Order: sequence, then C-alpha cells, then structure tokens
Amino acid sequence: DSGVTQTPKHLITATGQRVTLRCSPRSGDLSVYWYQQSLDQGLQFLIQYYNGEERAKGNILERFSAQQFPDLHSELNLSSLELGDSALYFCASSVARSSYEQYFGPGTRLTVT
Amino acid sequence: DQQVKQNSPSLSVQEGRISILNCDYTNSMFDYFLWYKKYPAEGPTFLISISSIKDKNEDGRFTVFLNKSAKHLSLHIVPSQPGDSAVYFCAVASGGYQKVTFGTGTKLQVIP
Repeated sequence: DSGVTQTPKHLITATGQRVTLRCSPRSGDLSVYWYQQSLDQGLQFLIQYYNGEERAKGNILERFSAQQFPDLHSELNLSSLELGDSALYFCASSVARSSYEQYFGPGTRLTVT
Repeated sequence: DQQVKQNSPSLSVQEGRISILNCDYTNSMFDYFLWYKKYPAEGPTFLISISSIKDKNEDGRFTVFLNKSAKHLSLHIVPSQPGDSAVYFCAVASGGYQKVTFGTGTKLQVIP
C-alpha cells in the first residue's frame, strides 16, 4: 500500500460526458502528479501540482483540467469524453517539489462507451 | 515521438535464473534512469535508479546498468523469483524539474 488513494476504482460513462477523478496523496506529500495509461502505451504524464499550484504540464488535452485543494487532495476533470479517453488514470505523490521517486495510487479505470 | 523504448513486451524466465530487461532512450540529456515495477491492480512502485554519472547501481538482487554511448539501460534480476513476475517500466528524468517519461513496459513472468 503506497498510501496514495484514488476514487473511484472504476468508472463507465458515455461519450460527451464529464467525470471527476479524485486523488489523496500520502500524508505529508505536497506534490501530486497525474498520468494516463492507454492500451499498449506507457504512462503519459499529464500534469503536476505542488502545494496547490500547477508546477508542470505534460500531454494534457484542453478538455482535461486538474486542481489541488488546500487539504492537498487533487481532482482531475475530464470533459467532452471520447472513446479514446478510455484508459487507466494514475495519481502519484512525492514530498519534494520535483522527484523521480513517486508513490503511485492504484489507478482509476475509465471506460467511455 | 517515443523517447523511451522497451522493445520486448514480455519475457519468461525460469526461477533462479537471471532476468534481463532492456530499455533504449533517445535523448542524451537525461540525468536519471529509473525502473518501476507494477503488479496487476496496483500502481507502479519505484524499484531502482541510476544517475547519468554512473554505469552501474546495485540493490540486492537488482542491478541497473547504463550504457550512455549506446543510450541503453538494462535491469538484471538475479536470482529471479516468482514474486518478481510483474510489468517493469523503464523511465527517464531530467534534472531540475525531473519530469519522468516512462516506457511501455515489459511483462516478466518467472516460472517456478
């Protein structure tokens, strides 16, 4: 158990809809990272927050957005969903502002039908 | 544009033997090279790292080798155990911000 929690575990929704994925980092961790893993793809970095502020952006679509709240939990919002958005979405956390040693949650599996 | 490539999607090894997982990268500017392990229904777990100034790093049964001239990274597991069966992701990171870029993973099966 990494100490990072993600909800929900599974999510099935229709094209065009909007969903919110939630992540609670390990106690004491200030950085939260979001990744997407599509079929046969590596983990694609989406976005990072550090202590409530956006720190870096990766390959995140404009339809996607995220935020980190004062209690340090983070939410990833996905809107106007398309079939290709079906993937595993992982959240990770670290103590430091930038760290390659990240602690991953179990992921949320999103299926868009 | 895949900066990190793991060309073998799967690997089977007998218990007690050596497992060798390979990874190639394209950008010589990376500072850190990492391996993560992932079990089904769990998130990836950090396993071992090596900085660009070294060519070898050991941690118990796990050794990572870095060949900068060939832009090649490998992970050796000796001896392999059934509990090592998992997907192994190679990853690279740059200094400063240290954005991590992952490969597509190699599924290792250790046969008892």
